[in-house]
Amino acid sequence: QVQLVQSGAEVKKPGASVKVSCKASGYIFTSHLIHWVRQAPGQSLEWMGWINADNGNTKYSQSFQGRVTITRDTSASTAYMELSSLRSEDTAVYFCSRDLVGVHVSWGQGTLVTVSS
Amino acid sequence: AIQMTQSPSSLSASVGDRVTITCRASEGIRNDLCWYQQKPGKAPKLLVYAASSLPSGVPSRFSGSGFGIDFTLTISSLQPEDFATYYCLQDYNYPYTFGQGTKLEIK
Repeated sequence: QVQLVQSGAEVKKPGASVKVSCKASGYIFTSHLIHWVRQAPGQSLEWMGWINADNGNTKYSQSFQGRVTITRDTSASTAYMELSSLRSEDTAVYFCSRDLVGVHVSWGQGTLVTVSS
Repeated sequence: AIQMTQSPSSLSASVGDRVTITCRASEGIRNDLCWYQQKPGKAPKLLVYAASSLPSGVPSRFSGSGFGIDFTLTISSLQPEDFATYYCLQDYNYPYTFGQGTKLEIK
């Protein structure tokens, strides 16, 4: 069955960077986009961007003003989301998702990133 | 960015009730709208895509409708497992944007 397994919780200081991984299994990794979505405590969901797992093309939300980078390693069937220049407002659960709409959507379990001095 | 406005923000209802949640886009988005259900501590689950299509495995008591600006999610007969928070999402253009959520609680 399709599974997306994310890396564990992180605690970072303001100004640092964090890199979250999302390992896919149960399907052909290069056949789907991987999206990243985050959710601050008690808040709605926020789309961050996607990567085409086949060719590595990316699309990002301008809300992150160049702070987010999404990459993938096809040999490991893993996507990565790196967020730099962290601030307290970046404290959130970060999710990866295979696709976001349509019949093939699957989500990772989420990764809590806490930004605190 | 397209703003997605959901109403109500919270709703109390009983098992067996019919419930409707609405989502309004700040500009026309054709039928590029989906609905998600989220339970505490869990990832969202897709309920409806392309405004009215249900993925495999979603119970038929869920239905979606709308085109352009106004959309609705209807649950025909609430079940205990339906108490959760619901979000709409537009995938018409970038950045994709979610509504602020509707929390459905037991009356």
